[in-house]
Amino acid sequence: GAGVSQSPSNKVTEKGKDVELRCDPISGHTALYWYRQSLGQGLEFLIYFQGNSAPDKSGLPSDRFSAERTGGSVSTLTIQRTQQEDSAVYLCASSLAGGSTSYEQYFGPGTRLTVT
Amino acid sequence: KNEVEQSPQNLTAQEGEFITINCSYSVGISALHWLQQHPGGGIVSLFMLSSGKKKHGRLIATINIQEKHSSLHITASHPRDSAVYICAVRSYNTDKLIFGTGTRLQVFP
Repeated sequence: GAGVSQSPSNKVTEKGKDVELRCDPISGHTALYWYRQSLGQGLEFLIYFQGNSAPDKSGLPSDRFSAERTGGSVSTLTIQRTQQEDSAVYLCASSLAGGSTSYEQYFGPGTRLTVT
Repeated sequence: KNEVEQSPQNLTAQEGEFITINCSYSVGISALHWLQQHPGGGIVSLFMLSSGKKKHGRLIATINIQEKHSSLHITASHPRDSAVYICAVRSYNTDKLIFGTGTRLQVFP
């Protein structure tokens, strides 16, 4: 079946503009994660959605970052008033569920964001 | 100190060599993941384990919960194994993954 897809694959934007990044998880996966990988840095957690529960936003670096997940499927990560330090690869992953049971996470190809 | 430490950071090998990458963590975990990231490519999950040992082809992953340590082994390494290998732990109290900084492996023919 189809894996996790993300769009766009690349995005170049001017400093101060808003951007929206999209993630389509694997069908039937109730857990969805956003991560960020800055150049030369490791991966960092941003936000996690599990079913209808309130999302875990503890990894969002500032209030310019927000995310939503509509209908328990597609998710959009929005960055307002982008800054150069926002340049990174933004990765989405999904898994069957979260909670007390660990499931394998399946990663999308990522969106490479460049803020000029 | 990072909660997840990997060693070595960089590793070069000749084709056919046996490779070991180590991961140590300091938090209580419910699972540990080994991920592979090829240059310019996406991330692939290799293993998820919470105890013991798993094997898939030439790859073997082990974990010692008491010692908070995991190893990823590659037998008969091949140039196509060249990639960044990332250890990530799922914190016991949350669903978040905490990532190591990765080990960059280059296998030369």
